[in-house]
Amino acid sequence: NAGVTQTPKFQVLKTGQSMTLQCAQDMNHEYMSWYRQDPGMGLRLIHYSVGAGITDQGEVPNGYNVSRSTTEDFPLRLLSAAPSQTSVYFCASRDEGASYEQYFGPGTRLTVT
Amino acid sequence: ELKVEQNPLFLSMQEEKNYTIYCNYSTTSDRLYWYRQDPGKSLESLFVLLSNGAVKQEGRLMASLDTKARLSTLHITAAVHDLSATYFCAVEVGWNQFYFGTGTSLTVIP
Repeated sequence: NAGVTQTPKFQVLKTGQSMTLQCAQDMNHEYMSWYRQDPGMGLRLIHYSVGAGITDQGEVPNGYNVSRSTTEDFPLRLLSAAPSQTSVYFCASRDEGASYEQYFGPGTRLTVT
Repeated sequence: ELKVEQNPLFLSMQEEKNYTIYCNYSTTSDRLYWYRQDPGKSLESLFVLLSNGAVKQEGRLMASLDTKARLSTLHITAAVHDLSATYFCAVEVGWNQFYFGTGTSLTVIP
């Protein structure tokens, strides 16, 4: 199992550009989430999904869109990048079982100039 | 506004010493998580605490949860250099709504 994978690892955007951060998991987990991590802060939840076709907003959803067309994939779209979106983005997944654990991807470091 | 506060934010401790990291949160929750993050890396799950009074131990780390006091602790026994990392607590509200603390950066010095 590859676990949770994210691409790209690094990305530099200009203000106003759009892009999609990719996240995939091969553990057949129903739940997937996107977080951002800023210096000196913990992770903040952007959006999450409880299954294919179902998404919901987290703590900081503005400026981001998500969709979940398959169990495996959960892309995060930045519609018009802003310098305030410079951050490290982590994707995570978990199953409905008793373990409750989240499994995190390696992260994408995004810089918006 | 839900708050998850950790203290201390920075901790420099000598090898073989004991110390405790505290995690206070401002809302009712029965699930509390601890994670470790090495510099430039992702998060690694350490403990999942599911009920009041839960205690879990792994090696030199022990975590506990007091839901009535809205407090979790991560106790480090006889620290070693390999434990140097940033430790985060996170509270889950409802299902899949996680709120993280700001982290405790731990440095273990010889």
